[in-house]
Amino acid sequence: DIQMTQSPSSLSASVGDRVTITCRASQSTTNCLNWYQQKSGKAPELLIYAASSLQSGVPSRFSGSGSGTDYTLTISGLHPEDFATYYCQQSYSIPYTFGQGTKLEIK
Amino acid sequence: QLQLVESGGGVVQPGGSLRLTCAGSGYTFSSHAMYWVRQAPGRGLEWVAIISYDGSDIYYADSVKGRFTISRDNSKNTLFLQMNSLKEEDTALYFCAKSAWLWVGSGSYIENWGRGTLVTVSS
Repeated sequence: DIQMTQSPSSLSASVGDRVTITCRASQSTTNCLNWYQQKSGKAPELLIYAASSLQSGVPSRFSGSGSGTDYTLTISGLHPEDFATYYCQQSYSIPYTFGQGTKLEIK
Repeated sequence: QLQLVESGGGVVQPGGSLRLTCAGSGYTFSSHAMYWVRQAPGRGLEWVAIISYDGSDIYYADSVKGRFTISRDNSKNTLFLQMNSLKEEDTALYFCAKSAWLWVGSGSYIENWGRGTLVTVSS
């Protein structure tokens, strides 16, 4: 199975900050890498698919990049509603494993 | 609008069984692969199972293989998860989720999620 490791596990930031979350796979996922946002008590929502494609309706301050084993999610200019937990998921090889999550908190 | 509504969760003793149901509406149910994903209390997301649009291709996480069965009834726009021999570590919120694709292959991703149904395994 492909292991997904996110860093950091938690992050404190302020409204307006630019933040980056990293996801590393134990082997190449060939850009089959997705990012989800989960707010407290809610279902996850898709932000980015195929490493860098922005899901329809997601604000352009969210962006994804990377290839091979290393991927990043960047939020350029945090809004109050962005404080949530973020998960990466590889969809290259079944089982389609998730990272452990990165909790983004208000500083 | 698109909806995925899970039901069937509850409290069950170890070794017991439950059948989860997910009703899809607002889209062509039979044109999308479907997932079950779970989240233990206070923990992260765990991929459980996936089924192709026509039910011909099915895969499970090792943690549930041989105990859980995913299936679908496209005539009723419904996804199922039969859970047998339940263990305390199966306690979680179970999400039904819709794939962007017909098939289960590489590149698949989850476009939409239900709100989940809670399964508690406890004596």
